[in-house]
Amino acid sequence: GAVVSQHPSWVICKSGTSVKIECRSLDFQATTMFWYRQFPKQSLMLMATSNEGSKATYEQGVEKDKFLINHASLTLSTLTVTSAHPEDSSFYICSARPSGGGGYTFGSGTRLTVV
Amino acid sequence: QKEVEQDPGPLSVPEGAIVSLNCTYSNSAFQYFMWYRQYSRKGPELLMYTYSSGNKEDGRFTAQVDKSSKYISLFIRDSQPSDSATYLCAMIKYTGTASKLTFGTGTRLQVTL
Repeated sequence: GAVVSQHPSWVICKSGTSVKIECRSLDFQATTMFWYRQFPKQSLMLMATSNEGSKATYEQGVEKDKFLINHASLTLSTLTVTSAHPEDSSFYICSARPSGGGGYTFGSGTRLTVV
Repeated sequence: QKEVEQDPGPLSVPEGAIVSLNCTYSNSAFQYFMWYRQYSRKGPELLMYTYSSGNKEDGRFTAQVDKSSKYISLFIRDSQPSDSATYLCAMIKYTGTASKLTFGTGTRLQVTL
């Protein structure tokens, strides 16, 4: 089955620094990847749609200058949380779907804690 | 009104019970349906993917879709403590890799010994 690998699984950073999260499709090419944020006991909230070779599309209310997305290849998308603050602490998850169809596959998630 | 409604639970059942998880949706444009299982601090795991009305079975899991009633269900037979997790229904309006998922809020399931 389709596999999406996400790294790191958890990260702690100091306030004001930037953190990069990687999302890789291991056995398929992903022209589109999705980035979600999830707060405890809540459902996933779509942040942005990452498009290979072009700019990401951000959902309403998501700061594109804070959450930088790069999708430079068909198997890799990155999310950089810039100038992180404690309120950015959350669980970030990526997902993609093979072009052959079927359900969406999710990464294992990244727990970000900003101190 | 949310496009997708799902009872948040928590739902507590004894080991071996049959579990029924349900979602309703309001937009008939939804055509493809998924069920995910999410353990705490993990990404969602795809359990079932369906696109036509009727039943689809995979091991202990059966997904049911009723497009006329805009209602989907996931049944878990012989539930195990390892099934304790949050179950999310999700759906999309068209096929294609850029179609956005719409999620239910998730149902927390606890299977007790």
